[in-house]
Amino acid sequence: KNEVEQSPQNLTAQEGEFITINCSYSVGISALHWLQQHPGGGIVSLFMLSSGKKKHGRLIATINIQEKHSSLHITASHPRDSAVYICAVDKLIFGTGTRLQVFP
Amino acid sequence: DTGVSQNPRHKITKRGQNVTFRCDPISEHNRLYWYRQTLGQGPEFLTYFQNEAQLEKSRLLSDRFSAERPKGSFSTLEIQRTEQGDSAMYLCASSPLGFGELFFGEGSRLTVL
Repeated sequence: KNEVEQSPQNLTAQEGEFITINCSYSVGISALHWLQQHPGGGIVSLFMLSSGKKKHGRLIATINIQEKHSSLHITASHPRDSAVYICAVDKLIFGTGTRLQVFP
Repeated sequence: DTGVSQNPRHKITKRGQNVTFRCDPISEHNRLYWYRQTLGQGPEFLTYFQNEAQLEKSRLLSDRFSAERPKGSFSTLEIQRTEQGDSAMYLCASSPLGFGELFFGEGSRLTVL
């Protein structure tokens, strides 16, 4: 069992839908990162959080330290949101990613 | 500030040859990380530096791999006697001191024939 598990592995959505990607981890952490990687592209950091909730534009990230769980939400999804979303803890352990495709 | 820079962006080599990748982090960032990513997988941690000190190395980093950050600025990752299994994207990231936000380079793609 991986120390960082993401679900779902693949996700398709229609433009405008609300999207949730989940991340569960089994180790103690000081910080959790949500990253975005476009096909053939580099990795961009979306959020770093250690408690509570953060919002940036249409993206919202939450973390529950007690339950060792984090979620990434995308409101009003758009085709340009299509990418792989990766959860990582303490920079050393990565999930395998969630591939999101948003269709117009 | 031009972000994290990696070169070369692509390297094709024959099995058994040595290759070296360079990473130039954001200038004020103390921490520098190397990761490897194969197709369809998330990045795997290889090693990280705080200034010039190499603080942790993954078991993935066999004896054929070596990384340096001699002056606490740029870093190099060398792979000796490359094998086909080394084919991957090698990613570098930097962050401020402490567990700050990560900034990734575009990666160096290695193909071993």
